[in-house]
Amino acid sequence: GQQLNQSPQSMFIQEGEDVSMNCTSSSIFNTWLWYKQDPGEGPVLLIALYKAGELTSNGRLTAQFGITRKDSFLNISASIPSDVGIYFCAGRSGNQFYFGTGTSLTVIP
Amino acid sequence: DTAVSQTPKYLVTQMGNDKSIKCEQNLGHDTMYWYKQDSKKFLKIMFSYNNKELIINETVPNRFSPKSPDKAHLNLHINSLELGDSAVYFCASSQLGGGNTIYFGEGSWLTVV
Repeated sequence: GQQLNQSPQSMFIQEGEDVSMNCTSSSIFNTWLWYKQDPGEGPVLLIALYKAGELTSNGRLTAQFGITRKDSFLNISASIPSDVGIYFCAGRSGNQFYFGTGTSLTVIP
Repeated sequence: DTAVSQTPKYLVTQMGNDKSIKCEQNLGHDTMYWYKQDSKKFLKIMFSYNNKELIINETVPNRFSPKSPDKAHLNLHINSLELGDSAVYFCASSQLGGGNTIYFGEGSWLTVV
């Protein structure tokens, strides 16, 4: 199955800093999703994007559906320790959801 | 109530054994999935069922057999377990044509010794 390219692979940041991560694909998607996975848990949906160019916020999180429909971005502003975890992007094409390789975020207090 | 629930959460078993992981969703979704997450945290689709019918079957050893008794349940049976089967298995569900989002269970940590 297809694996989306997600970068960076890992990030170590100071509390209060902003974070940006992105996801790219060789294929066009109809839906882009962003998830967070805490240790020992399943991925939890953060933001869903349904239209090219769409910009959606959820608290300190903002995500965008790329105009080309082949990429998406997630920004986290003013990071806090509980933002620690692995962030996954996902794209939907037909009946399938394809996941990114994950970005591991560490926030240093 | 947990939307997608899977049991057991932890499973330690010996090579060669047969084991099952159960999954139930109470979201009224028509599609259910099994994903495998390896040590590098990659999420790989294994199977997908839509209204109890298999629609996705990625390259997975035939020791893995999904069973969907109804659209709210998708169980995973694994025969003759091998060391390489050790991973986290996630059940998920979605409503295709609806919100187009996928919801995950909490995972089942399988360790084969």
